Amino acid sequence: EVQLAESGGGLVQPGGSLRLSCAASGFTFSDYEMNWVRQAPGKGLEWVSYISSTGSMIYYADSVKGRFTISRDNAKNSLYLQMNSLRAEDTAIYYCARYSVPDYWGQGTLVTVSS
Amino acid sequence: QPVLTQPTSLSASPGASARFTCTLRSGINVGTYRIYWYQQKPGSLPRYLLRYKSDSDKQQGSGVPSRFSGSKDASTNAGLLLISGLQSEDEADYYCAIWYSSTCVFGGGTKLTVL
Repeated sequence: EVQLAESGGGLVQPGGSLRLSCAASGFTFSDYEMNWVRQAPGKGLEWVSYISSTGSMIYYADSVKGRFTISRDNAKNSLYLQMNSLRAEDTAIYYCARYSVPDYWGQGTLVTVSS
Repeated sequence: QPVLTQPTSLSASPGASARFTCTLRSGINVGTYRIYWYQQKPGSLPRYLLRYKSDSDKQQGSGVPSRFSGSKDASTNAGLLLISGLQSEDEADYYCAIWYSSTCVFGGGTKLTVL
């Protein structure tokens, strides 16, 4: 059974940093592209970032480019999102999702940016 | 103009059929893309329903009933999600998505009310 488990969310002040993690199991992690997708309270889904199976290709939404960094460790079956210079508008549930257009999603981790 | 446009709401009666549209921006040909569909109930993570490009290139999500199906309307440049035999449990938000220009793009979502 495919499982994705995010962690690392929480309350942070504007301008602060957080690092999200996603632990994957139930499939061969190194074979799959991965994404981070977020959902602000009461809003729709917003794609954040993509990483290829080997990490050689990485893409970002314009809204996070230059502030967020996606990475992965295939030996640890883990996906990461380093978030710097956080803004109030980054407040959202952050989902780890498998494949370029997701077929499996984690439960999400809530990031709240507020003073 | 957004890449993908969905109506904000749709209402239908139990036992009836519902037809969701996902219209691609002018200049982006629906025939070229796999259209992905998701269901999201309040407080839950998105669930992958299916993807559809053509009758020979389609996929049903794991455990998704056959009363959920995909199609396209080339005349309106739209992807379609069809739900037959509506049940109260189908009440949810429905999102479409495509992989476009090295990004995963989501539509704004359609809220289905079953009444």
